[in-house]
Amino acid sequence: DVKVTQSSRYLVKRTGEKVFLECVQDMDHENMFWYRQDPGLGLRLIYFSYDVKMKEKGDIPEGYSVSREKKERFSLILESASTNQTSMYLCAGATGAFTSDTQYFGPGTRLTVL
Amino acid sequence: AQKVTQAQTEISVVEKEDVTLDCVYETRDTTYYLFWYKQPPSGELVFLIRRNSFDEQNEISGRYSWNFQKSTSSFNFTITASQVVDSAVYFCALSEAQETDSWGKLQFGAGTQVVVTP
Repeated sequence: DVKVTQSSRYLVKRTGEKVFLECVQDMDHENMFWYRQDPGLGLRLIYFSYDVKMKEKGDIPEGYSVSREKKERFSLILESASTNQTSMYLCAGATGAFTSDTQYFGPGTRLTVL
Repeated sequence: AQKVTQAQTEISVVEKEDVTLDCVYETRDTTYYLFWYKQPPSGELVFLIRRNSFDEQNEISGRYSWNFQKSTSSFNFTITASQVVDSAVYFCALSEAQETDSWGKLQFGAGTQVVVTP
């Protein structure tokens, strides 16, 4: 089975803190994605990566950065957390570089910024 | 512009009733892919189905069935004889193969909450 894991299910941080969300996949996925999910808005793509050390901006990259030093790990970084970044964050992996490839999701991290 | 529209925010049914979730998409590509995901209360998105734009055959998998109609740009999902375990948020998503800005990305609808009561 496909396995994508995220480091925390729930996280509470304070405004201005630097926050790291970790995602690990064990299916040799080429592509990895970070989304945020907010009520009524569905999932919105923050960043994605096609390969180690490569990154591409998604639809809402402002306030975020990413790191992919190893193929299996894709980190989302909030340089200075703000309350409007309170959200559910979902990581996904896909086996190939094609739009037809199915994305498999991790369990999500619910982040609250106070 | 919203490329995937799920007009139903929430649907409530009693167990054993059928429920149909609507999904309307918008694209200029001739090659594209459509997906449905289920998100139970635990939060993890579970992949249900992927269809490509050249395959308009309807599909059935157990109590789930999907109706793809290119003429109306719709990809509707029906749960037959619903069960309490079907309670979840269901997302429809589109992936475009030719539109450069969208390449490799999944574009999600806002989701439909399904509530099945005993």
